[in-house]
Amino acid sequence: NAGVMQNPRHLVRRRGQEARLRCSPMKGHSHVYWYRQLPEEGLKFMVYLQKENIIDESGMPKERFSAEFPKEGPSILRIQQVVRGDSAAYFCASSPFGRENYNEQFFGPGTRLTVL
Amino acid sequence: AQSVAQPEDQVNVAEGNPLTVKCTYSVSGNPYLFWYVQYPNRGLQFLLKYITGDNLVKGSYGFEAEFNKSQTSFHLKKPSALVSDSALYFCAVSLFNNAGNMLTFGGGTRLMVKP
Repeated sequence: NAGVMQNPRHLVRRRGQEARLRCSPMKGHSHVYWYRQLPEEGLKFMVYLQKENIIDESGMPKERFSAEFPKEGPSILRIQQVVRGDSAAYFCASSPFGRENYNEQFFGPGTRLTVL
Repeated sequence: AQSVAQPEDQVNVAEGNPLTVKCTYSVSGNPYLFWYVQYPNRGLQFLLKYITGDNLVKGSYGFEAEFNKSQTSFHLKKPSALVSDSALYFCAVSLFNNAGNMLTFGGGTRLMVKP
């Protein structure tokens, strides 16, 4: 059973470009979480999605950031018109349940975004 | 709102000595508590969790943690540290609610184990 997969592992963008980060959850997991880790800081929750639904996006900036988890395919975190402050590691985690979940979240290796 | 504090940015310990990484939390309701470890340029690896039951939780790689409700703490411990334990450790808390199992992380503690 493959773990959570994220790609690309490293992404370099110039200011104003778009960044697309992909996350494939573990097999059988229908819940996806995105977190952002700034250098030398802990992870901050961004958004929680189930298939085709955004459940909680309270941690996501209101502008330029969006996320989706379509019925087919990976979850996508999209950052439009990137700025240098978006440089960070973005981690995806998946879990098998939501409301009934007492289990740990399984994290992917992260995508390190560098904005020049 | 829930929060987690890891008061030490770095903990230094000699190989073979016991180690403790501190964590305190603040949450309304019953907390679910987790410890994760992060190696350089890697994702987070689960170590252990407390949901309910015995206050002493045993996890991976010989780590354990003790839940103390009165002190709202969940310190990570290991009886004998290894050099390979050197990494970044994160404590996290979640609160069961309609939005699911969102995790709130502490700022992390870097553990340095010296030979």
